[in-house]
Amino acid sequence: EPEVTQTPSHQVTQMGQEVILRCVPISNHLYFYWYRQILGQKVEFLVSFYNNEISEKSEIFDDQFSVERPDGSNFTLKIRSTKLEDSAMYFCASSEGAGGHEQYFGPGTRLTVT
Amino acid sequence: RKEVEQDPGPFNVPEGATVAFNCTYSNSASQSFFWYRQDCRKEPKLLMSVYSSGNEDGRFTAQLNRASQYISLLIRDSKLSDSATYLCVVKAGAQKLVFGQGTRLTINP
Repeated sequence: EPEVTQTPSHQVTQMGQEVILRCVPISNHLYFYWYRQILGQKVEFLVSFYNNEISEKSEIFDDQFSVERPDGSNFTLKIRSTKLEDSAMYFCASSEGAGGHEQYFGPGTRLTVT
Repeated sequence: RKEVEQDPGPFNVPEGATVAFNCTYSNSASQSFFWYRQDCRKEPKLLMSVYSSGNEDGRFTAQLNRASQYISLLIRDSKLSDSATYLCVVKAGAQKLVFGQGTRLTINP
């Protein structure tokens, strides 16, 4: 069964450093997403991406965040200057379409900012 | 009012029991609804979509009441492997998923 993959599984970085989280969505999916989950809290939407551009973003997704689809398979989330409060689990998801289409999540990258 | 609100839990039930979770949502324009399950420190996994007419998948039954903005999940004949956090999820607009806080379920042998 096709699945979303993410690398690395765990990233430790120092405050102020840049990090890039990588995702390979399911191959025939057209919509890609990033969510995050701070420990003990609910899953929160960050951004959706379709046709090589951001289609929707949340208030959390400020200027320090960016997304890119650098090639035909990868989808990345860059955090330019990490803060302590960026420590969270970051999940990538993908779906065939919008609307009622179901979103499938990758295993996540645990980001720890020290 | 929270966008998606769930029973706080935790629920501890014996194996074989029937357990029900409830969820309410605030945006009456929401069109798509889902239940996901999440194991400790893992990703949310889609359990089932929820349709207006109600739907069943094996031991799991989901119901939607649009008038009351209420979603439910029923698990019959619970198994040890059903122990997880159950997430009520509503799609806001075309793409963004809004998650509830989740209800933790533990099935005891």
